[in-house]
Amino acid sequence: KAGVTQTPRYLIKTRGQQVTLSCSPISGHRSVSWYQQTPGQGLQFLFEYFSETQRNKGNFPGRFSGRQFSNSRSEMNVSTLELGDSALYLCASSSGRGQGAGGNTEAFFGQGTRLTVV
Amino acid sequence: AQSVTQLGSHVSVSEGALVLLRCNYSSSVPPYLFWYVQYPNQGLQLLLKYTTGATLVKGINGFEAEFKKSETSFHLTKPSAHMSDAAEYFCAVSFPIYNQGGKLIFGQGTELSVKP
Repeated sequence: KAGVTQTPRYLIKTRGQQVTLSCSPISGHRSVSWYQQTPGQGLQFLFEYFSETQRNKGNFPGRFSGRQFSNSRSEMNVSTLELGDSALYLCASSSGRGQGAGGNTEAFFGQGTRLTVV
Repeated sequence: AQSVTQLGSHVSVSEGALVLLRCNYSSSVPPYLFWYVQYPNQGLQLLLKYTTGATLVKGINGFEAEFKKSETSFHLTKPSAHMSDAAEYFCAVSFPIYNQGGKLIFGQGTELSVKP
């Protein structure tokens, strides 16, 4: 079974630009979550999608957005990039059974996209 | 507020020695608890998890952790460290609350070094 695939692996963007990152979850998984990892702030939750609906959102500005498609693939977009957006962005998928908690199911992580803003 | 604290950002042990990585959480509801490992330039891999039942949980690569509700702790141990255990370890929690299950709250991480 293929794991979680994130593309691209590395990205360099200029301040003020926008960027779109992609995540393909494990086949059959309907929940996709996104995390930002930085040396200073650690791992922070961005948002979670389940069956094309955003189910939960972290404390990030509106410049960070995402969506999920009918095949469960997800994208996240960051507009008007700032230097502080430089980070490793991780995507995780899980079965996330139903509309309930699902918090006891394992989240499988991709290798991440390393975004550098210059 | 819900939070996770990992004591010690860096832990160094000798090969063959006991590994003990500490994790405490703060929560108003009983959480689900996880330990993840991250190797350089990689994503996170689940080591073990506690959801319900037996409080001593065994995971991959010889790791185990014990959930102690009275101490709000979930410390990770391994009896004998191996060089390949050198990595960063993250403790995380999620909550059995409607629509909150997909959100993991992570500790700051503990970098484990193993000396030959």
